[in-house]
Amino acid sequence: DAGVTQSPTHLIKTRGQQVTLRCSPKSGHDTVSWYQQALGQGPQFIFQYYEEEERQRGNFPDRFSGHQFPNYSSELNVNALLLGDSALYLCASSLGRRSPLHFGNGTRLTVT
Amino acid sequence: AQSVTQLGSHVSVSEGALVLLRCNYSSSVPPYLFWYVQYPNQGLQLLLKYTSAATLVKGINGFEAEFKKSETSFHLTKPSAHMSDAAEYFCAVSGGGSGGSNYKLTFGKGTLLTVNP
Repeated sequence: DAGVTQSPTHLIKTRGQQVTLRCSPKSGHDTVSWYQQALGQGPQFIFQYYEEEERQRGNFPDRFSGHQFPNYSSELNVNALLLGDSALYLCASSLGRRSPLHFGNGTRLTVT
Repeated sequence: AQSVTQLGSHVSVSEGALVLLRCNYSSSVPPYLFWYVQYPNQGLQLLLKYTSAATLVKGINGFEAEFKKSETSFHLTKPSAHMSDAAEYFCAVSGGGSGGSNYKLTFGKGTLLTVNP
């Protein structure tokens, strides 16, 4: 039973570029949450998708957007990249909004 | 609004010694509380969770945590450390409410646990 899978594992982008990160939830899960983990910090909530809609959002600018597909997979898009966007981006899936989160291994984004 | 404070960014113990990782929280609603572990280059793995049932919560790998409302604490303990416990540990509180127990987790900054032979 595959867990949460994220792609790519590593990514290097230049300031001002756009990036798309992908996440496939654990089998049977229908809710996807995205977190940003800067070096030496705890993860910070970006947003959560349920039934293909963004349900709640953390304190992130509109440059951060997402999408959830009918098969429950999800994408995180970041536009106009800044150096400060360099971080580990974690996807977590769950069954509904009350079951525990299962995290993927993350995508390491480096912005130069 | 909710927040988490983890006391001690780095804890070092000897193998076989007691592990105590401290977490204090604040929450405007009855909290859901979690401890996660992160090994190098990996995502987070749930150790245990408190969701308003028993105040002493047992998790995986011999860890447990006690919810103390009067102290707004949720400290993580393990009686005897093992080398494989070396990792970073994160305490988290959920926004909860109608959003559900896994909604909008707020994490502490983490505590790096080192286990010495």
